[in-house]
Amino acid sequence: NAGVTQTPKFRVLKTGQSMTLLCAQDMNHEYMYWYRQDPGMGLRLIHYSVGEGTTAKGEVPDGYNVSRLKKQNFLLGLESAAPSQTSVYFCASDTPSPNYEQYFGPGTRLTVT
Amino acid sequence: TQLLEQSPQFLSIQEGENLTVYCNSSSVFSSLQWYRQEPGEGPVLLVTVVTGGEVKKLKRLTFQFGDARKDSSLHITAAQPGDTGLYLCAGASGGGADGLTFGKGTHLIIQP
Repeated sequence: NAGVTQTPKFRVLKTGQSMTLLCAQDMNHEYMYWYRQDPGMGLRLIHYSVGEGTTAKGEVPDGYNVSRLKKQNFLLGLESAAPSQTSVYFCASDTPSPNYEQYFGPGTRLTVT
Repeated sequence: TQLLEQSPQFLSIQEGENLTVYCNSSSVFSSLQWYRQEPGEGPVLLVTVVTGGEVKKLKRLTFQFGDARKDSSLHITAAQPGDTGLYLCAGASGGGADGLTFGKGTHLIIQP
């Protein structure tokens, strides 16, 4: 039982390049989330999904797109990377419940130069 | 926009001392979670509190949810170097799984 895994762990991009971050969970969770973590800013929600084929915007969605084609996977795309997107990205998942107990992946450290 | 304010932002104490970390908001949350994060890793859930006034204990850690469900505290007794880390509180609102609102965290260092 791997929990939540993220690929890649590190990545360096040049401004304007594109990339996709992959999140996979093996807990059969309905809900999945993408957050970014920046120094002094805490964790901020980018996009989320409440089920296969559905996505919704979070607090800071601009410059990102997501897809949830399979229940276990949630992809985060950057079409044209900008230095402001340098951050650590975390994926999380949980199940419908009153408590919203989220399980996080190990993170992807992205640097945009 | 719901906000969670954590204090202190940084705390460095000696092994064996006690400490309390606070998480405050002007908004009501349906539940509140505490996470611990170590460098290079994702946050790990410590506890969830749901009922106003609820107190939960996890070994030397005591978590309390305010009566009005707007604030919470984490108290550590006899802190140990292994308690070092970033402690995050996060609140959930009712009505849907639209993610958690996180505080900015408390960086805790326990010196041997």
